[in-house]
Amino acid sequence: DAGVIQSPRHEVTEMGQEVTLRCKPISGHNSLFWYRQTMMRGLELLIYFNNNVPIDDSGMPEDRFSAKMPNASFSTLKIQPSEPRDSAVYFCASQGKLKGNEQFFGPGTRLTVL
Amino acid sequence: RKEVEQDPGPFNVPEGATVAFNCTYSNSASQSFFWYRQDCRKEPKLLMSVYSSGNEDGRFTAQLNRASQYISLLIRDSKLSDSATYLCVVNRSNQGGKLIFGQGTELSVKP
Repeated sequence: DAGVIQSPRHEVTEMGQEVTLRCKPISGHNSLFWYRQTMMRGLELLIYFNNNVPIDDSGMPEDRFSAKMPNASFSTLKIQPSEPRDSAVYFCASQGKLKGNEQFFGPGTRLTVL
Repeated sequence: RKEVEQDPGPFNVPEGATVAFNCTYSNSASQSFFWYRQDCRKEPKLLMSVYSSGNEDGRFTAQLNRASQYISLLIRDSKLSDSATYLCVVNRSNQGGKLIFGQGTELSVKP
């Protein structure tokens, strides 16, 4: 049974470039979460979707960040333009209806913006 | 002040030791509580939920004190494989949604 799938696993880009991170949640899960993790700030929730609808985007740092979930099996997090301070590990997690509150995390995308 | 606070450690203990982690949360509306484990350069994974009555899973015991807004995790007979960062997590709902993560407590178990 496949877990949460994220791509790419590593991304190195230059400041000003557009970055798109991708996530495929576990089949049947109805909630999807995007997190960012840094040494300084720990694990922070950026945005989450319920049934493909954004519910809480209060953690999105600024307008350079956007997220979409066009269907139940795919989501993207886009940063445009990217800045060095965006360097972090970005995790996607999904949660099912019947599993209480357990969230299953993907392996993360390690982003470095030069 | 952070909503969930933990001692960042690191805790360096010998194999076989008992180690306890503490966590406090500031929002009294928090409803559900968890400990997640994160290995170096890996994703967080649920270790155990925390119930008001306290709960045990093998060598791991979790306790919740709602009056003091305090959560603990006790690891007995620690193993080398227990080395990881332990994240205290709270949720304001019992029905899914937003999790608030502490900064994590790093544990290193030495031979």
